[in-house]
Amino acid sequence: DIQMTQSPSSLSASVGDKVTITCRASQNIGISLNWFQQTPGKAPKLLIYAASSLQGGVPSRFTGSGSGTDFTLTISSLQPEDFAPYYCQQTFSNPYTFGQGTNLEI
Amino acid sequence: DVQLVESGGGLVQPGGSLKLSCAASGSTFNNLWMHWVRQAPGKGLMWVSRINGGGSSTTYADSVKGRFTISRDNAKNTLYLQMNSLTADDTAVYYCATVGFDYWGRGTLVTVSS
Repeated sequence: DIQMTQSPSSLSASVGDKVTITCRASQNIGISLNWFQQTPGKAPKLLIYAASSLQGGVPSRFTGSGSGTDFTLTISSLQPEDFAPYYCQQTFSNPYTFGQGTNLEI
Repeated sequence: DVQLVESGGGLVQPGGSLKLSCAASGSTFNNLWMHWVRQAPGKGLMWVSRINGGGSSTTYADSVKGRFTISRDNAKNTLYLQMNSLTADDTAVYYCATVGFDYWGRGTLVTVSS
């Protein structure tokens, strides 16, 4: 199975900050990488697919980049509603493993 | 858009069985690959299973293989997850999601406890 490792596990920031979350795959997955945000008590929301493509309706302050084994999610100018857990997921091969999550806190 | 609504969760004893449903509306369900994903309380996400549009191809996570069965009834626009031999480790919110993980239901909670 492909292992997905996110860092950091938690991150403290303030409104207006720019933050970056990284995700590393245990093998080359091309650009088969999704990023999700999960507001507490709700289902995950797809933010980025194919490593860098912005899902419809997602604000442009969310940016994904990377390929192969190393990926990043950048949020420029944090808004109050952005403080939540974030997960990466590889869709290169089954099982479609998720990272352990990054909790973005105020 | 696709709307997904899970049901069938609840409290079950260890070793018991439960069948989850995911009702879909708003799109051509029988063309869509579908997934089940679960999340244990306070934990991260775990992909569980997927099925193709016709129901002929299925894949499972190792931890549920042989115990869980994914299926679908395209005439009823419904996805299922039959779960047998349940253990405490299967306690989680179970979500159904569409092929690209772009649409999710709200989830249904399964609690395995005596």
